[in-house]
Amino acid sequence: QPVLTQSSSASASLGSSVKLTCTLSSGHSDYIIAWHQQQPGKAPRYLMKVEGSGSYKKGSGVPDRFSGSSSGADRYLTISNLQSDDEADYYCETWDSNNRVFGGGTKLTVL
Amino acid sequence: QVHLMQSGAEVKRPGVSVKVSCEASDHTFTKNYMHWVRQAPGQGLEWMGIIDPSDGTTSYAQKFQGRVTLTRDTSTRTVYMELSSLRSEDTAVYYCARGSSGGANLEYWGQGTLVTVSS
Repeated sequence: QPVLTQSSSASASLGSSVKLTCTLSSGHSDYIIAWHQQQPGKAPRYLMKVEGSGSYKKGSGVPDRFSGSSSGADRYLTISNLQSDDEADYYCETWDSNNRVFGGGTKLTVL
Repeated sequence: QVHLMQSGAEVKRPGVSVKVSCEASDHTFTKNYMHWVRQAPGQGLEWMGIIDPSDGTTSYAQKFQGRVTLTRDTSTRTVYMELSSLRSEDTAVYYCARGSSGGANLEYWGQGTLVTVSS
């Protein structure tokens, strides 16, 4: 089954942009992934799904500041004009038959 | 907007079972798969299993095979997760999540239920 790899942490300044990466394991580079945001003390929230082609589809109510892209086995989540509310853990998710896996999550700090 | 309302926090002794419920607000209950995911304190997300509310078909992560049971009640639009033989490592927040109508990803999450296993 696929494995997802994420950096454990990232940081960027208020008002700037940040690009988070989720890497699919060998043999799974064409998989679709989904991004979820988890603010401190809250349940996860679905942001978008990103395909291998680079196309992405956002969930209801997700701000325009959030976008997705792809390159090879890498799937990206870009957040522009960072706000303090964006400080959260970000998880990627993918699936294979009846199994699904999550990346280890990236903790984003807004400076 | 879909809302998933979970039952309240539980404290259990090692060796017993816990049953957590998740009620869906929308009338499309039988049209989307429901999942259970857990998160131990300070840790990441861990998928446990899936149920098809239309017919009750289930599939479980290998780690939980034999210990977890997912069921549903279509009359109340509620799914249940029962975890048996609890141990301290099962202390976690348990989430239900609904699959997307347009794909296989998780789209809507419940608020979470804290299960504490302690003697």
